[in-house]
Amino acid sequence: ETGVTQTPRHLVMGMTNKKSLKCEQHLGHNAMYWYKQSAKKPLELMFVYNFKEQTENNSVPSRFSPECPNSSHLFLHLHTLQPEDSALYLCASSQDGGSGGMQTQYFGPGTRLLVL
Amino acid sequence: GQNIDQPTEMTATEGAIVQINCTYQTSGFNGLFWYQQHAGEAPTFLSYNVLDGLEEKGRFSSFLSRSKGYSYLLLKELQMKDSASYLCAVRDGTYKYIFGTGTRLKVLA
Repeated sequence: ETGVTQTPRHLVMGMTNKKSLKCEQHLGHNAMYWYKQSAKKPLELMFVYNFKEQTENNSVPSRFSPECPNSSHLFLHLHTLQPEDSALYLCASSQDGGSGGMQTQYFGPGTRLLVL
Repeated sequence: GQNIDQPTEMTATEGAIVQINCTYQTSGFNGLFWYQQHAGEAPTFLSYNVLDGLEEKGRFSSFLSRSKGYSYLLLKELQMKDSASYLCAVRDGTYKYIFGTGTRLKVLA
């Protein structure tokens, strides 16, 4: 257990569906991240929130929409996805996004998404 | 551009020592991380280097040379449970973490 939980663990959706992924961290961290992990590719950073403010949007298509209502919760809203969006979506948190200190990221178990 | 290279796969025998190399080219450097990821599970933190030299933590050690853009993870006394993917990541600036594709390590009995 890393202190970061994600739901659901598995999700199958059609291209016209709307769904949301949820992440919650119990570590008292202030920075939260969404990553996409596809087979044989590096983890791709999608979004970063620091103290609830979005600080990074790594050229992610608008069919992915993040939401961070507070420092403990992070959502990824999905709509009209494509089959190539099928991947493992990982959430992570770190103390904060500041430049000082180690800023280790702690990852959740991920949501395995399949888009049909 | 930003790039991190590590071998795709390695195989070693139980009880042996294995070294996983990582080379990087990033626009900034604010630390290098190694993570272990078992199939279907979250990456878990193993080690962190920000200054040149060796960091030792039990059976795991990590080395960094900033001038060469090079790091390695050393695993001693390999156990079957060490079979996993090992991810090298560089913190580039404040919020960006650049990851390699990972090295899949197989430990054979």
